[in-house]
Amino acid sequence: NAGVMQNPRHLVRRRGQEARLRCSPVKGHSHVYWYRQLPEEGLKFMVYLQKENIIDESGMPKERFSAEFPKEGPSILRIQQVVRGDSAAYFCASSPGDRGGEKLFFGSGTQLSVL
Amino acid sequence: AQRVTQPEKLLSVFKGAPVELKCNYSYSGSPELFWYVQYSRQRLQLLLRHISRESIKGFTADLNKGETSFHLKKPFAQEEDSAMYYCALRGVGGNKLVFGAGTILRVKS
Repeated sequence: NAGVMQNPRHLVRRRGQEARLRCSPVKGHSHVYWYRQLPEEGLKFMVYLQKENIIDESGMPKERFSAEFPKEGPSILRIQQVVRGDSAAYFCASSPGDRGGEKLFFGSGTQLSVL
Repeated sequence: AQRVTQPEKLLSVFKGAPVELKCNYSYSGSPELFWYVQYSRQRLQLLLRHISRESIKGFTADLNKGETSFHLKKPFAQEEDSAMYYCALRGVGGNKLVFGAGTILRVKS
């Protein structure tokens, strides 16, 4: 069990480009969460997905950001037309289901740097 | 709205001294509280959760609904406890975890 895998570990983009962050959950986990960590701040919830469904996207910026978790393949967090303020560490977490008290398994994160 | 406050960015103690990492929360319903820890060069991982009422690595945390707190305590700190600690909250029946800003614990020899 390799745990939650995120790639790339580091991503450098110029302003205006697109960033695609990938997250493969723990095998058998059907729930995925994305968090963003800005310098000097804690983890901010972005979006919660189950296979092929977005359950809660209350933390996602209304523009430029989107997420998906297809039936096959990893979850993708996509940021269009990146700006310097998007520079942050993006963490993915997974869990097997939505039972209360269940813990999340975190990936190592993707550090996005926007030049 | 759910909110978690960790007032200390950095807590520095000597080895063998007691440790208390503070966490206060704001939530109108019944919360589930967690402590997550990130050791150097490792992933964020669950340390303990209030519903389990367990002690992990000598750490305990008691949910105080009157004071809306979930402070993390250890009677005798060890150098290997040095890490970033996050307090997190989830509403009962909810899904997402809301995290505090985190506290860096440094245990000096």
